[in-house]
Amino acid sequence: SQQGEEDPQALSIQEGENATMNCSYKTSINNLQWYRQNSGRGLVHLILIRSNEREKHSGRLRVTLDTSKKSSSLLITASRAADTASYFCAMKTSYDKVIFGPGTSLSVIP
Amino acid sequence: NAGVTQTPKFRVLKTGQSMTLLCAQDMNHEYMYWYRQDPGMGLRLIHYSVGEGTTAKGEVPDGYNVSRLKKQNFLLGLESAAPSQTSVYFCASSYHRDRVYTNEKLFFGSGTQLSVL
Repeated sequence: SQQGEEDPQALSIQEGENATMNCSYKTSINNLQWYRQNSGRGLVHLILIRSNEREKHSGRLRVTLDTSKKSSSLLITASRAADTASYFCAMKTSYDKVIFGPGTSLSVIP
Repeated sequence: NAGVTQTPKFRVLKTGQSMTLLCAQDMNHEYMYWYRQDPGMGLRLIHYSVGEGTTAKGEVPDGYNVSRLKKQNFLLGLESAAPSQTSVYFCASSYHRDRVYTNEKLFFGSGTQLSVL
């Protein structure tokens, strides 16, 4: 499978703490994206990092990419209860396929 | 501007029945994708299309067919439904030729819950 792997599968933190999710993948990629899914809803795009970039920021989100290790991490700083959701990494390959990882379920406790 | 619309939202089929899921987008996107989501598996790519009249296989294409006769529509067909196809199906689109810097992200529909008994 070309799917990525994500860890942890589930993460529970207190409001105000930082949350870090990791993604590893197997194939070459053009870019890596992170998406968020609230329970029972469609996915919403959070941030994209291209294969020639190492780090990107957007508000409370920080994404890193290490193509030599085929891995990425998503950091959410100062988490809020509203950040409770599932987070998925998605890899765009050279054939325009977009392959998703299995996701990390984040619970932020008020 | 509706974005990506999936119909139907819910469907129950008996084993062996056929059905078609419709995905429509009004953003003039070139690329469209069909995924299925099962508990603990994330989203798995079934088929995708990079333009009108083109389709390609994803990770789990068996048991499904697709067609992209019009740019705005991407149809997913199940010819003979099986219980293993019980899942939530998501359609997504991306890539507008004239909006280079925003064309990589996927826009998702709200999903179709399909149960095959």
